[in-house]
Amino acid sequence: AQSVAQPEDQVNVAEGNPLTVKCTYSVSGNPYLFWYVQYPNRGLQFLLKYITGDNLVKGSYGFEAEFNKSQTSFHLKKPSALVSDSALYFCAVRGASGYSTLTFGKGTMLLVSP
Amino acid sequence: DAGVTQSPTHLIKTRGQQVTLRCSPKSGHDTVSWYQQALGQGPQFIFQYYEEEERQRGNFPDRFSGHQFPNYSSELNVNALLLGDSALYLCASRETGNTEAFFGQGTRLTVV
Repeated sequence: AQSVAQPEDQVNVAEGNPLTVKCTYSVSGNPYLFWYVQYPNRGLQFLLKYITGDNLVKGSYGFEAEFNKSQTSFHLKKPSALVSDSALYFCAVRGASGYSTLTFGKGTMLLVSP
Repeated sequence: DAGVTQSPTHLIKTRGQQVTLRCSPKSGHDTVSWYQQALGQGPQFIFQYYEEEERQRGNFPDRFSGHQFPNYSSELNVNALLLGDSALYLCASRETGNTEAFFGQGTRLTVV
Protein backbone atom coordinates (compact mmCIF):
# COMPACT_ATOMS: atom_id res chain seq x y z
CA ALA A 1 0.00 0.00 0.00
CA GLN A 2 1.20 3.50 -0.72
CA SER A 3 1.18 6.30 1.84
CA VAL A 4 2.22 9.91 2.38
CA ALA A 5 3.24 11.63 5.61
CA GLN A 6 3.22 15.38 6.11
CA PRO A 7 4.61 15.73 9.63
CA GLU A 8 3.67 19.39 10.14
CA ASP A 9 0.07 20.51 10.51
CA GLN A 10 1.15 24.12 10.09
CA VAL A 11 4.23 26.01 8.92
CA ASN A 12 4.70 29.67 9.81
CA VAL A 13 7.13 31.88 7.90
CA ALA A 14 7.67 35.61 7.47
CA GLU A 15 7.26 37.15 4.04
CA GLY A 16 10.53 37.20 2.13
CA ASN A 17 11.98 34.24 4.05
CA PRO A 18 12.51 30.81 2.50
CA LEU A 19 9.93 28.14 3.20
CA THR A 20 9.96 24.35 3.32
CA VAL A 21 6.96 22.04 3.61
CA LYS A 22 7.95 18.46 4.36
CA CYS A 23 6.69 15.25 2.78
CA THR A 24 7.78 11.63 2.99
CA TYR A 25 6.25 8.77 1.04
CA SER A 26 6.01 5.02 0.68
CA VAL A 27 5.17 3.26 -2.59
CA SER A 28 6.10 0.11 -4.46
CA GLY A 29 8.37 0.73 -7.40
CA ASN A 30 9.22 4.11 -8.84
CA PRO A 31 7.17 6.93 -7.35
CA TYR A 32 5.26 9.62 -9.13
CA LEU A 33 5.14 12.55 -6.69
CA PHE A 34 2.98 15.65 -6.72
CA TRP A 35 2.28 18.83 -4.81
CA TYR A 36 -1.12 20.47 -4.88
CA VAL A 37 -2.36 23.68 -3.22
CA GLN A 38 -5.87 24.34 -1.95
CA TYR A 39 -7.33 27.75 -1.20
CA PRO A 40 -10.42 28.07 1.05
CA ASN A 41 -13.55 26.48 -0.43
CA ARG A 42 -11.73 25.59 -3.62
CA GLY A 43 -10.50 22.45 -5.34
CA LEU A 44 -6.87 21.41 -5.66
CA GLN A 45 -4.47 23.23 -7.95
CA PHE A 46 -1.50 21.35 -9.39
CA LEU A 47 1.88 22.89 -8.45
CA LEU A 48 4.54 20.47 -9.62
CA LYS A 49 5.46 16.83 -10.13
CA TYR A 50 8.42 14.48 -10.08
CA ILE A 51 8.38 11.57 -12.47
CA THR A 52 11.99 10.94 -13.34
CA GLY A 53 15.19 12.84 -14.03
CA ASP A 54 16.56 15.81 -12.14
CA ASN A 55 15.91 15.58 -8.42
CA LEU A 56 15.05 19.28 -8.23
CA VAL A 57 11.81 20.07 -10.02
CA LYS A 58 10.39 23.52 -10.60
CA GLY A 59 6.72 24.34 -10.67
CA SER A 60 4.18 27.11 -10.62
CA TYR A 61 4.42 30.39 -8.66
CA GLY A 62 8.14 29.98 -7.93
CA PHE A 63 7.78 26.72 -6.02
CA GLU A 64 10.22 23.87 -6.36
CA ALA A 65 10.60 20.46 -4.76
CA GLU A 66 13.54 18.20 -4.06
CA PHE A 67 13.22 14.45 -4.54
CA ASN A 68 15.43 12.35 -2.27
CA LYS A 69 15.17 8.64 -3.01
CA SER A 70 17.26 7.44 -0.06
CA GLN A 71 15.17 9.42 2.41
CA THR A 72 11.92 8.83 0.48
CA SER A 73 11.20 12.53 0.75
CA PHE A 74 9.79 15.17 -1.56
CA HIS A 75 9.95 18.50 0.28
CA LEU A 76 8.35 21.61 -1.19
CA LYS A 77 10.46 24.77 -1.15
CA LYS A 78 10.34 28.41 -2.15
CA PRO A 79 13.26 30.85 -1.80
CA SER A 80 11.13 33.85 -0.82
CA ALA A 81 7.62 33.46 0.60
CA LEU A 82 4.70 35.74 -0.24
CA VAL A 83 1.65 36.46 1.91
CA SER A 84 -0.43 35.17 -1.01
CA ASP A 85 1.25 31.76 -0.66
CA SER A 86 -0.78 31.18 2.51
CA ALA A 87 -2.89 28.11 1.79
CA LEU A 88 -3.22 24.37 2.42
CA TYR A 89 -0.60 22.23 0.69
CA PHE A 90 -0.97 18.54 -0.12
CA CYS A 91 1.70 16.07 -1.12
CA ALA A 92 0.54 13.05 -3.12
CA VAL A 93 2.06 9.85 -4.49
CA ARG A 94 1.05 7.26 -7.04
CA GLY A 95 2.77 4.31 -8.63
CA ALA A 96 3.95 4.23 -12.22
CA SER A 97 1.15 1.95 -13.43
CA GLY A 98 -1.54 3.57 -15.52
CA TYR A 99 -4.06 2.09 -13.10
CA SER A 100 -2.44 3.68 -10.07
CA THR A 101 -4.32 6.35 -8.15
CA LEU A 102 -3.26 9.25 -5.96
CA THR A 103 -2.74 8.90 -2.23
CA PHE A 104 -2.62 12.22 -0.37
CA GLY A 105 -1.09 13.36 2.87
CA LYS A 106 -3.28 15.09 5.43
CA GLY A 107 -2.07 18.50 4.34
CA THR A 108 0.06 21.29 5.78
CA MET A 109 -1.29 24.79 6.34
CA LEU A 110 1.24 27.41 5.31
CA LEU A 111 0.85 30.81 6.96
CA VAL A 112 3.02 33.65 5.66
CA SER A 113 3.01 36.74 7.83
CA PRO A 114 3.65 40.24 6.47
CA ASP B 1 -10.66 25.49 -22.51
CA ALA B 2 -12.78 24.82 -19.45
CA GLY B 3 -11.11 22.81 -16.78
CA VAL B 4 -12.82 20.16 -14.71
CA THR B 5 -16.31 21.31 -13.80
CA GLN B 6 -18.50 19.92 -11.04
CA SER B 7 -22.13 20.46 -10.16
CA PRO B 8 -23.70 21.44 -7.92
CA THR B 9 -21.22 23.47 -5.86
CA HIS B 10 -23.19 23.05 -2.65
CA LEU B 11 -25.85 20.60 -1.55
CA ILE B 12 -27.76 19.93 1.64
CA LYS B 13 -29.43 16.55 2.11
CA THR B 14 -31.20 14.71 4.91
CA ARG B 15 -29.98 11.44 6.41
CA GLY B 16 -31.23 8.46 4.44
CA GLN B 17 -31.63 10.37 1.19
CA GLN B 18 -29.75 9.74 -2.03
CA VAL B 19 -27.54 12.21 -3.90
CA THR B 20 -25.98 12.46 -7.36
CA LEU B 21 -22.95 14.60 -8.07
CA ARG B 22 -21.74 15.39 -11.58
CA CYS B 23 -18.37 15.98 -13.19
CA SER B 24 -17.27 17.08 -16.65
CA PRO B 25 -13.60 16.34 -17.25
CA LYS B 26 -11.09 18.64 -18.88
CA SER B 27 -11.19 18.48 -22.66
CA GLY B 28 -9.26 15.48 -23.95
CA HIS B 29 -9.23 13.71 -20.60
CA ASP B 30 -10.67 10.20 -20.50
CA THR B 31 -9.94 9.05 -16.95
CA VAL B 32 -12.05 10.36 -14.10
CA SER B 33 -11.49 9.81 -10.39
CA TRP B 34 -13.56 10.81 -7.38
CA TYR B 35 -12.23 11.77 -3.96
CA GLN B 36 -13.84 12.55 -0.62
CA GLN B 37 -12.24 15.25 1.50
CA ALA B 38 -13.55 15.41 5.04
CA LEU B 39 -12.94 18.56 7.06
CA GLY B 40 -9.29 18.84 8.07
CA GLN B 41 -8.25 15.78 6.08
CA GLY B 42 -6.57 15.03 2.80
CA PRO B 43 -8.62 13.72 -0.13
CA GLN B 44 -9.46 10.01 0.04
CA PHE B 45 -9.79 8.02 -3.19
CA ILE B 46 -13.28 6.66 -3.87
CA PHE B 47 -13.05 5.19 -7.38
CA GLN B 48 -11.69 5.71 -10.87
CA TYR B 49 -13.46 5.33 -14.24
CA TYR B 50 -12.00 4.68 -17.65
CA GLU B 51 -13.88 3.68 -20.80
CA GLU B 52 -17.12 3.68 -18.84
CA GLU B 53 -15.89 1.05 -16.39
CA GLU B 54 -14.82 1.26 -12.78
CA ARG B 55 -11.12 0.51 -12.90
CA GLN B 56 -10.06 1.03 -9.29
CA ARG B 57 -11.97 1.40 -6.05
CA GLY B 58 -10.92 2.71 -2.66
CA ASN B 59 -12.16 1.63 0.74
CA PHE B 60 -15.70 2.94 0.50
CA PRO B 61 -18.97 1.02 1.02
CA ASP B 62 -21.27 -0.05 -1.78
CA ARG B 63 -23.51 2.92 -0.97
CA PHE B 64 -21.05 4.83 -3.12
CA SER B 65 -21.45 4.10 -6.81
CA GLY B 66 -20.59 5.82 -10.03
CA HIS B 67 -20.92 5.96 -13.73
CA GLN B 68 -18.98 7.26 -16.69
CA PHE B 69 -20.72 8.26 -19.90
CA PRO B 70 -19.44 7.96 -23.50
CA ASN B 71 -18.44 11.66 -23.44
CA TYR B 72 -16.24 10.85 -20.39
CA SER B 73 -18.38 12.82 -17.95
CA SER B 74 -19.11 11.07 -14.70
CA GLU B 75 -21.56 10.83 -11.83
CA LEU B 76 -21.08 9.89 -8.21
CA ASN B 77 -24.11 8.48 -6.41
CA VAL B 78 -24.40 8.02 -2.68
CA ASN B 79 -27.37 6.12 -1.22
CA ALA B 80 -28.71 6.08 2.33
CA LEU B 81 -26.76 9.17 3.33
CA LEU B 82 -25.13 9.30 6.74
CA LEU B 83 -24.02 12.35 8.69
CA GLY B 84 -20.45 11.16 8.16
CA ASP B 85 -20.84 11.53 4.40
CA SER B 86 -20.68 15.30 4.83
CA ALA B 87 -17.54 16.35 2.96
CA LEU B 88 -16.10 18.07 -0.09
CA TYR B 89 -16.32 15.70 -3.05
CA LEU B 90 -13.65 16.26 -5.65
CA CYS B 91 -13.52 15.05 -9.22
CA ALA B 92 -10.18 14.74 -11.00
CA SER B 93 -9.46 13.99 -14.62
CA ARG B 94 -6.40 13.13 -16.64
CA GLU B 95 -5.52 11.90 -20.06
CA THR B 96 -4.42 8.28 -20.19
CA GLY B 97 -0.66 8.20 -20.44
CA ASN B 98 -0.28 11.55 -18.77
CA THR B 99 0.75 11.80 -15.17
CA GLU B 100 -0.89 14.75 -13.47
CA ALA B 101 -4.55 14.94 -12.57
CA PHE B 102 -6.56 18.15 -12.66
CA PHE B 103 -9.22 18.77 -10.06
CA GLY B 104 -12.57 20.48 -10.12
CA GLN B 105 -13.64 22.98 -7.48
CA GLY B 106 -15.60 20.29 -5.66
CA THR B 107 -19.13 19.79 -4.38
CA ARG B 108 -19.70 20.58 -0.72
CA LEU B 109 -22.22 18.02 0.59
CA THR B 110 -23.82 18.59 3.96
CA VAL B 111 -25.97 15.84 5.46
CA VAL B 112 -28.33 16.93 8.24
